[in-house]
Amino acid sequence: EAQVTQNPRYLITVTGKKLTVTCSQNMNHEYMSWYRQDPGLGLRQIYYSMNVEVTDKGDVPEGYKVSRKEKRNFPLILESPSPNQTSLYFCASSLGVKAYGYTFGSGTRLTVV
Amino acid sequence: GDSVTQMEGPVTLSEEAFLTINCTYTATGYPSLFWYVQYPGEGLQLLLKATKADDKGSNKGFEATYRKETTSFHLEKGSVQVSDSAVYFCALSDEDSNYQLIWGAGTKLIIKP
Repeated sequence: EAQVTQNPRYLITVTGKKLTVTCSQNMNHEYMSWYRQDPGLGLRQIYYSMNVEVTDKGDVPEGYKVSRKEKRNFPLILESPSPNQTSLYFCASSLGVKAYGYTFGSGTRLTVV
Repeated sequence: GDSVTQMEGPVTLSEEAFLTINCTYTATGYPSLFWYVQYPGEGLQLLLKATKADDKGSNKGFEATYRKETTSFHLEKGSVQVSDSAVYFCALSDEDSNYQLIWGAGTKLIIKP
């Protein structure tokens, strides 16, 4: 089944403890992206990637890192999480955003205490 | 820059009522337009899209027509069901957005039996 898989679905962590949220797609898509969703703030893009080793900042990149070493994987790294990074995170991939839009994963709910 | 404006919610309707959710956009180029749906506790799913003026996207009984003259992409459904209760997002993609998605704020739809 064609899909975007993120793990974990739920994560509670403490301030400052490095964490990685994994994202993998099996559709051979070139574009991948990370979003966060917060009540009243809508969807905000964190980073996106147009191909292997090509990444660019979105609207809210501060406090996050990404890497794209392989086409299928696009992990989101929080080196030192803080409570204001408590959010619902979505990974997405696309063959071409203008033509097809993004296909989204199921989401990761992160709580930083 | 590009922007998307959606009608504020929540929108509350009775089952079998006619639905319209308004979406207007600002873009200097020729964007593609999308509607996404997010059911409670789930990720976003592409509902329909249109890539050029006068195109009509349709899926699951929902329709939207790309109107360049009014810069609109209103979502309609002739007879809603309780299962249509969700949050609906309008989005666009074009060269000015670096081919990423510019999102509306989302409209929550509540259908009462």
